[in-house]
Amino acid sequence: SQQGEEDPQALSIQEGENATMNCSYKTSINNLQWYRQNSGRGLVHLILIRSNEREKHSGRLRVTLDTSKKSSSLLITASRAADTASYFCATDKSNTGKLIFGQGTTLQVKP
Amino acid sequence: GAVVSQHPSWVICKSGTSVKIECRSLDFQATTMFWYRQFPKQSLMLMATSNEGSKATYEQGVEKDKFLINHASLTLSTLTVTSAHPEDSSFYICSASPGGGQPQHFGDGTRLSIL
Repeated sequence: SQQGEEDPQALSIQEGENATMNCSYKTSINNLQWYRQNSGRGLVHLILIRSNEREKHSGRLRVTLDTSKKSSSLLITASRAADTASYFCATDKSNTGKLIFGQGTTLQVKP
Repeated sequence: GAVVSQHPSWVICKSGTSVKIECRSLDFQATTMFWYRQFPKQSLMLMATSNEGSKATYEQGVEKDKFLINHASLTLSTLTVTSAHPEDSSFYICSASPGGGQPQHFGDGTRLSIL
């Protein structure tokens, strides 16, 4: 399978706690992106990190990338119930927009 | 921001019917759009790359005669599931980007149920 791995598959936390999701991929990449999907809906782009970047922040989101380990992590700080969703990493091998998705992490934030 | 619209959002039809799904970029032009398929509680699988003015490029294992893609303009790509059967029931999602390093923007998806 071309798809990457994500862990954990499911994560349940209390509001206010931090949530960390990990993603591993198999091939060299141009960039890695994180998306969010609410149940039965399309995907919302969260953050893009390029292969020459190691860390990126956007609001309560922090993404790291380790190309030597072919892995990335997404940290959501001070989680809210509204953060409940599935989160996917996706790699773009050649900057064409053609994305290979990880298996996703389902996050539940309890109020 | 860039908006991608997908229609219909939900369709139920009988086995043997052909179903067309539209993907539109509302405020930008896209020479390339992508079609994905998602089964319940699973990730997105890339089906094909839709190229404006030329043939689509299909991923390995995706039947091009089953999933017809037409990208006749810079703002519209269509996916037609021909002679659909229950195993074609799935969530189909398209994406497009304005280019210039901007990320892919996704439609809200089409839930297809074949009876």
